[in-house]
Amino acid sequence: GAGVSQSPSNKVTEKGKDVELRCDPISGHTALYWYRQSLGQGLEFLIYFQGNSAPDKSGLPSDRFSAERTGGSVSTLTIQRTQQEDSAVYLCASSFPGANYGYTFGSGTRLTVV
Amino acid sequence: QKEVEQNSGPLSVPEGAIASLNCTYSDRGSQSFFWYRQYSGKSPELIMFIYSNGDKEDGRFTAQLNKASQYVSLLIRDSQPSDSATYLCAVKTTGSNYKLTFGKGTLLTVNP
Repeated sequence: GAGVSQSPSNKVTEKGKDVELRCDPISGHTALYWYRQSLGQGLEFLIYFQGNSAPDKSGLPSDRFSAERTGGSVSTLTIQRTQQEDSAVYLCASSFPGANYGYTFGSGTRLTVV
Repeated sequence: QKEVEQNSGPLSVPEGAIASLNCTYSDRGSQSFFWYRQYSGKSPELIMFIYSNGDKEDGRFTAQLNKASQYVSLLIRDSQPSDSATYLCAVKTTGSNYKLTFGKGTLLTVNP
């Protein structure tokens, strides 16, 4: 596609429920990243995919968070047993690999845990 | 811990003035440097990147890099109210899997 597509754009869930967030990167972008941004805060790195592999999962905040990528394309971020502190905007970005390429971000999923 | 530091602002400039946004980084292995603009409620948008010492100009924007001082800046000439946004500095570092480390951003307000 022309841009990075994320769905849903908004998600309200009850505490303790599981949620899945989807990212469809730009075609040809082999690198895919998940970040989250809490209200008024900076961007927090979660996980990086190169192809279907995740060489850097260092930002996942707990074992309730997991992500996968299939076919070198679509990625899903899953949060199990959601907590209120998980409320944030989850941003997906994709790029070509390498030092001199910036990311293109999707429009994000706003997650609210009530 | 690799860090990217920015003045949180807000930085307020009058319309038509030059806005100067600054960023410092801690890792001398940093290779490339990016400036993103983020409007309130929107996702970040890439506006400039630079990887060689010196200046790089694109329209009203100029990025400046000084690796010896570990300093990168963004100048916005003829600032417009539509430039009002948070500007994020981001750095890629050798061996980081090309992960961008972001500063917390500087809020710029351009007053008509």
